[in-house]
Amino acid sequence: EADIYQTPRYLVIGTGKKITLECSQTMGHDKMYWYQQDPGMELHLIHYSYGVNSTEKGDLSSESTVSRIRTEHFPLTLESARPSHTSQYLCASSEPGTGMNTEAFFGQGTRLTVV
Amino acid sequence: AQKVTQAQTEISVVEKEDVTLDCVYETRDTTYYLFWYKQPPSGELVFLIRRNSFDEQNEISGRYSWNFQKSTSSFNFTITASQVVDSAVYFCALSERGGSEKLVFGKGTKLTVNP
Repeated sequence: EADIYQTPRYLVIGTGKKITLECSQTMGHDKMYWYQQDPGMELHLIHYSYGVNSTEKGDLSSESTVSRIRTEHFPLTLESARPSHTSQYLCASSEPGTGMNTEAFFGQGTRLTVV
Repeated sequence: AQKVTQAQTEISVVEKEDVTLDCVYETRDTTYYLFWYKQPPSGELVFLIRRNSFDEQNEISGRYSWNFQKSTSSFNFTITASQVVDSAVYFCALSERGGSEKLVFGKGTKLTVNP
């Protein structure tokens, strides 16, 4: 069973608020990712990290930012939330590859609603 | 550019029926990896299978089976004797060599198995 945790599971906030979505994993994985899943169910990569102090933007442009100060922790921040940010955010991690893709373990997601 | 197409948005079957979920992919790479994930109502993504582009062997795991055909760029998923617990959204995903951070997902197929 995957040991990757996201908090909160559900969040309803007002426009303009700053929020941080937490993601932690206890598997010692170097690679971590954030995916955004819109109401139409499609998932898009918005951020990823290869390790501490490494962050990259994904395929889908996002106004959110991430940080990776510790291996196990990969929080996502929205400085000023808007209704267009309403979505589910899924965090994932995977082991370092050795030329082979490895399985990505996903958290349960944070369902964010901005009103 | 990579693309994954799951043409079936929703499928509804009666318990014990067999059901096949279609997945068609596009990539210019010769080395790539294909995945299937299950997303139950609880929200997390559950890994089901990974296949690399050099291995076209079909795979069977209990009631699940996968048919990979490079000639048609398809990676279809069949559930035999479906059960109510199989109800979920199923995602097909693709990544090129270099790690699962580049997972490109299809839009998902929502499967409902009725008793």
